[in-house]
Amino acid sequence: LAKTTQPISMDSYEGQEVNITCSHNNIATNDYITWYQQFPSQGPRFIIQGYKTKVTNEVASLFIPADRKSSTLSLPRVSLSDTAVYYCLVGDPWVTGGGNKLTFGTGTQLKVEL
Amino acid sequence: DAGVIQSPRHEVTEMGQEVTLRCKPISGHDYLFWYRQTMMRGLELLIYFNNNVPIDDSGMPEDRFSAKMPNASFSTLKIQPSEPRDSAVYFCASSIGTLGEAFFGQGTRLTVV
Repeated sequence: LAKTTQPISMDSYEGQEVNITCSHNNIATNDYITWYQQFPSQGPRFIIQGYKTKVTNEVASLFIPADRKSSTLSLPRVSLSDTAVYYCLVGDPWVTGGGNKLTFGTGTQLKVEL
Repeated sequence: DAGVIQSPRHEVTEMGQEVTLRCKPISGHDYLFWYRQTMMRGLELLIYFNNNVPIDDSGMPEDRFSAKMPNASFSTLKIQPSEPRDSAVYFCASSIGTLGEAFFGQGTRLTVV
């Protein structure tokens, strides 16, 4: 499984755009990149998933450069409620159990202040 | 759908006792995962099932842990005998296929005293 490296913590203010970068130098050809969010006392929640270039949904964007050795989760105009831990995961969905046999690292603790 | 349902939400037990955690996955999901979360080790995958069959239990810490999925709508994680170091939050998750979103339950906070 590709190992991921993320910043341990980040601070931001309400209304700002937050970019969290994840490094995955040994990503394999079939690996997808997935981001999850976790609030205290809750299970992780899926944010976004991508393979290459850019993916956007109603809550975030995911930027993946051509070499796929890193990825950046972009949260536009964060609010206090975005304070959470964000996990970057990499996995091959075509291996039995696949991309959802996910290995969670330590994640990035995002703190949003007024 | 009510999502992945876990019970109990909290469990306090004495060392040496048997503990059974329960999970009801989302209807129609063919994958089910059990995770454990602690401050020291983060989120660890313990075991996962595909169509009720255990596929990989390499994350199960030791023989005291066992998991079953007798049907598509129910799974259990059992610890016998329990030890204080088993104290953690245990999450169950389910998904359709191997790509896309995995849905997590609210977790069971286990305290072994």
